[in-house]
Amino acid sequence: DAGVIQSPRHEVTEMGQEVTLRCKPISGHDYLFWYRQTMMRGLELLIYFNNNVPIDDSGMPEDRFSAKMPNASFSTLKIQPSEPRDSAVYFCASSRLAGGPRALETQYFGPGTRLLVL
Amino acid sequence: KNEVEQSPQNLTAQEGEFITINCSYSVGISALHWLQQHPGGGIVSLFMLSSGKKKHGRLIATINIQEKHSSLHITASHPRDSAVYICAVLAREGGSEKLVFGKGTKLTVNP
Repeated sequence: DAGVIQSPRHEVTEMGQEVTLRCKPISGHDYLFWYRQTMMRGLELLIYFNNNVPIDDSGMPEDRFSAKMPNASFSTLKIQPSEPRDSAVYFCASSRLAGGPRALETQYFGPGTRLLVL
Repeated sequence: KNEVEQSPQNLTAQEGEFITINCSYSVGISALHWLQQHPGGGIVSLFMLSSGKKKHGRLIATINIQEKHSSLHITASHPRDSAVYICAVLAREGGSEKLVFGKGTKLTVNP
């Protein structure tokens, strides 16, 4: 298996633009997680899905952020409009075992998307 | 004050040295995780602890629930151990749980 695939790997955009980050989880995994990592705040769990349904989005910072999972093999994280403080590395992870975020040890992380908003 | 504090922030060691990374937390937890993040971003889980001690190869993780403290030890360190080590706790909040991450400890092991 190719592992969790994220695209793009790097994104540079200007303030106010829409940004869409993409994730393909490992086949057969039914949990998908979106994380953000910054120097100031470290890693933060933004949202997670189980069987394509959002379970907990309490970590999503504000309404400018939205995430969807239209099918078992694809998810998007969208920021509209983007702001410089959104600059971070965004990770997607997937897991096939029950437990959601409790089972951090069972999650497979993607390589991340490094976002820079100018 | 952050709920999860790691120390030191940065650590440089010579190959072969014994290394200790610390994690203190201020909340009630169900479990604690240690993660390793290599240059380039890849994150892998090393340990999940709820009590006592776990060992995997040259890595040892301990937790003291009463003192709200965990340590990650690396014996006979090697340059390939150079990475950021992240502590994460599953914090109990009312009737639910929330993942809270430390900011990480950057380890550099020189040959």
